[in-house]
Amino acid sequence: DTGVSQDPRHKITKRGQNVTFRCDPISEHNRLYWYRQTLGQGPEFLTYFQNEAQLEKSRLLSDRFSAERPKGSFSTLEIQRTEQGDSAMYLCASSLAGGRQETQYFGPGTRLLVL
Amino acid sequence: SQKIEQNSEALNIQEGKTATLTCNYTNYSPAYLQWYRQDPGRGPVFLLLIRENEKEKRKERLKVTFDTTLKQSLFHITASQPADSATYLCALVEDDKIIFGKGTRLHILP
Repeated sequence: DTGVSQDPRHKITKRGQNVTFRCDPISEHNRLYWYRQTLGQGPEFLTYFQNEAQLEKSRLLSDRFSAERPKGSFSTLEIQRTEQGDSAMYLCASSLAGGRQETQYFGPGTRLLVL
Repeated sequence: SQKIEQNSEALNIQEGKTATLTCNYTNYSPAYLQWYRQDPGRGPVFLLLIRENEKEKRKERLKVTFDTTLKQSLFHITASQPADSATYLCALVEDDKIIFGKGTRLHILP
């Protein structure tokens, strides 16, 4: 396994369209995180899964955003009715929960531009 | 909730010198604190983790300190090289999720 992968790497869409991103975590990792990052900022937490259960959602995640991890493996993040303010890098990370420390391994990100 | 403060201005360091980056947090001391490196257009890459009961951690040319009294971590790169130029993110755990600072951009000048 070569690490966390994300698809697509870049997405340009028009305002009002729906977009869906995919994340494939490291295979033995049970936790999967989604972050959003804008220029000059650190990654902002959006939501995370432990196996297929979505355990927490940030207040940043409006009702236009939905994430799934149906079989506890890959995850999708959908944004409905995109707005220009949704333009950002969307990062996925995975980790192996448990123990006293948790290192997250990040994917390359999907850069979204909403016109 | 925790707030993490990193110097948002870029740091320019001459090649060969030691670069020191600062991370301050506002509330309770976390069980551990992490440092990540991020290159433009890429996801962050984990570098080092330091626990609350550790004063210092080293890995090759990297050194991290953790002062729970000052609520501060320092990240040092010794014998810096142009390839060390990147954004360095400080992160800590809160309620089972990782909170990141804004990062500090480091430029190593040849």
